[in-house]
Amino acid sequence: EPEVTQTPSHQVTQMGQEVILRCVPISNHLYFYWYRQILGQKVEFLVSFYNNEISEKSEIFDDQFSVERPDGSNFTLKIRSTKLEDSAMNFCARSEAHNSPLPFGNGTRLTVT
Amino acid sequence: AQSVTQLDSHVSVSEGTPVLLRCNYSSSYSPSLFWYVQHPNKGLQLLLKYTSAATLVKGINGFEAEFKKSETSFHLTKPSAHMSDAAEYFCVVTPIGTGTALIFGKGTTLSVSS
Repeated sequence: EPEVTQTPSHQVTQMGQEVILRCVPISNHLYFYWYRQILGQKVEFLVSFYNNEISEKSEIFDDQFSVERPDGSNFTLKIRSTKLEDSAMNFCARSEAHNSPLPFGNGTRLTVT
Repeated sequence: AQSVTQLDSHVSVSEGTPVLLRCNYSSSYSPSLFWYVQHPNKGLQLLLKYTSAATLVKGINGFEAEFKKSETSFHLTKPSAHMSDAAEYFCVVTPIGTGTALIFGKGTTLSVSS
């Protein structure tokens, strides 16, 4: 399965700023996911998205986070007011069936200064 | 509750020697298990998957893993390491048929020396 495309590959932002990370999956996939990996730590689940709704989210995914698929293709992760601890590699993934093995994108490295 | 433990944070081998990356899981349900590999500055690539079929699973690049329910293990092996195998490896679990997300282990860094 082809991977998803994530943009940008690297995003640098100042603390308190809003960032939007983008993922371009194949349009006929139903399930979308965001995971993140803080440097030196394990990959953590953020949120899953199905049928234009959040189907599951982790404790990390608080009110500062939101996801949407505004135009039916791009799948975005928005962080409203970034914190230093949001610095991480963020991975988008998609699948045709829930919890099937996920091809991940190459990730967006978010650096909050 | 589901969890996965990778027993070694770092494994070093010489090129041409066998590779063993250890993973133990805990799951209240019959699990699906995966191994992913992450090369530097790259995304996560699926190596292999176990989904309740054959207990010995073959993956890409000569890797394989054996599901042992009695030991709750899913160790990753390769008979002969190659320099290009140097990467971070993640063991991942998810319970079959439930609604929870993939749960990643902390990862094992594999170094291969010539």
